[in-house]
Parts: sequence; C-alpha cells; structure tokens
Amino acid sequence: DIQMTQSPSSLSASVGDRVTITCQASQDIRNYLNWYQQKPGKAPKLLIYDASNLETGVPSRFSGSGSGTDFTFTISSLQPEDIATYYCQKHNNLPLFGPGTKVDIK
Amino acid sequence: EVQLLESGGGLVQPGGSLRLSCAASGFTFSSYALSWVRQAPGKGLEWVSAISGNGGSTWYADSVRGRFTISRDSSKNTVYLQMNSLRAEDTAIYYCAKDRNFPNDQFDYWGQGTLVTVSS
Repeated sequence: DIQMTQSPSSLSASVGDRVTITCQASQDIRNYLNWYQQKPGKAPKLLIYDASNLETGVPSRFSGSGSGTDFTFTISSLQPEDIATYYCQKHNNLPLFGPGTKVDIK
Repeated sequence: EVQLLESGGGLVQPGGSLRLSCAASGFTFSSYALSWVRQAPGKGLEWVSAISGNGGSTWYADSVRGRFTISRDSSKNTVYLQMNSLRAEDTAIYYCAKDRNFPNDQFDYWGQGTLVTVSS
C-alpha cells in the first residue's frame, strides 16, 4: 500500500514569510496529488489539485509543485488568515491523506 | 450554490448501528460521485467510502469494509452511510464531500460534518 508522509508536522512563521511544506508518497503517484486547508472547527477546503493547479477562487500566494513521489506546497507570503492545518491527498486508486502540517504565526 | 448537509450523528454503544445522511443541492446530483471522509478528535483526515454518480460503483477503506455500506437515492438527492458493528475507533466527525470530476479525484465541496461517538 502507498504511504503518504508530510514534513514538517508543524511550523511557526512570521507574517510575510515564505512557507514550504513537503509531501512524499512511497510510490510513484504521477501528479495525482491535492492539497487542502483546514481551519479549526471547519471542513477542509481544496486549494491545489493535480499537484500544481490552483482551485478557482484560491489566492495566488498558494502554489504547488512536484510529481512522482515528491511534492511541495508553498505559501509565498504568510497571512494571518492562513493559520490552519494543511493536508496532502493522493488520488490514484483510492484516496489517502497525509498526516497534516499545522501552521501558526510566530 | 452547492450545499451538502449531513445528519444522523449521535452517541451509540459499541456494536451498535447508525445511518448518516447527506442531503445535496446546487448541482446535478446523478452526475457526481460523493464520498464520506472522517476525522477522529484531534486527528487527521481519513477517507471512508465513495459512491459513483449512478450508484453502480462503491469503494471502501479497509478499516470499514464489511461494516459500512454507502448508498444514494437520486429521488431525494441524498447519500447515506449505514454503519454497523461500530467500534470506539469509529468515533469521529463524518464529512460528506463531492468529488470534483471523477470518483475519488478531488473533493471540491464539503459539508459541515456530523459527529459520531461510539461509547458505552
């Protein structure tokens, strides 16, 4: 079975900082990788689909890249409203979420 | 506007059963797969089950296969999750989510979730 890992598990950064989260699959998943944002007490929200495509209405400071087994999610300039947990999710065969990365403000 | 409204959660004893419902609106119901995703308290997201737009195909996570059954009623624009033989580890918020284009690709709309607590 494919396993998904994310790093770091949590991070603190200042407003305006560039934030990078990595997601790794244990096998090649091509570009079948999505990113979600979940704020406390809320349902997740799709931000990036198929590794690098920005979902409609999502601010352009969010971006994704990668293919195969290694993927990166970036917030180019962290804003206070970006405080959340971010999950990657593979979607080749059955869906599987990564363990999440909690982002807060330093 | 796409809306997904879950209901049916509550407190149930281990070994018991519960049926969750998800009422959908704002899109052509029979054209899209729908999924259930759960989140145990303080934990991450776990995909549980999915059903195709016409109901002809279903998928389950290993952790629930044989205990949970997903179904849909196009006359009511509602998807269901019948949960039997419930265990403490099934305690979670259960979200209904719409698949973006194809079954199990991306989840572009989510409900607010319904809490299931399995405890004696």
